[in-house]
Amino acid sequence: GQNIDQPTEMTATEGAIVQINCTYQTSGFNGLFWYQQHAGEAPTFLSYNVLDGLEEKGRFSSFLSRSKGYSYLLLKELQMKDSASYLCAVLAPGAGSYQLTFGKGTKLSVIP
Amino acid sequence: GAGVSQSPSNKVTEKGKDVELRCDPISGHTALYWYRQRLGQGLEFLIYFQGNSAPDKSGLPSDRFSAERTGESVSTLTIQRTQQEDSAVYLCASSLPNPGREGYTFGSGTRLTVV
Repeated sequence: GQNIDQPTEMTATEGAIVQINCTYQTSGFNGLFWYQQHAGEAPTFLSYNVLDGLEEKGRFSSFLSRSKGYSYLLLKELQMKDSASYLCAVLAPGAGSYQLTFGKGTKLSVIP
Repeated sequence: GAGVSQSPSNKVTEKGKDVELRCDPISGHTALYWYRQRLGQGLEFLIYFQGNSAPDKSGLPSDRFSAERTGESVSTLTIQRTQQEDSAVYLCASSLPNPGREGYTFGSGTRLTVV
């Protein structure tokens, strides 16, 4: 089975740094994704990790440790527009091909 | 097309009526996925297509729900005899056969309200 855990909600201050953690237990592993979803909108791709380590992309970074079944998304210099839900998803073999299994998402509120 | 297109964007229907939701995936994306998202909740997997076949229908919540795909392109999700509990946003996503590092691309969803 597939199990992905992430905190339900987080609050952080504008200009600060926030780390959103994700732990997973899956049958197989072919990569980990982070998606951003603003209220009322579709999820959009943020990052992809398949090897251990840190991937940096502007204000956002994502880290993966496959041995620990652990990832985090790091958001620096927070802006009000970063208020959104952040979804952790693991790519693993599924029926016929590979499928993403999503966590329930972390709702991040950025306050002034 | 340039992105995943879903229609209608909003649908209000009376309890007991049937509804059809449509998804146009990105051209060349042979894999297509349907999800349901209730207000404030996570993504609930419904069904997955590879080409016109559905290897995984495990998420369909009841026999009132069905989906088909034709021409390895457009997919239709049908909900028969709608219930108020069916009210949600229905999201469609598409990908290459192996999502790889590109993952899924989502459409903007259909917001279904059953009154």
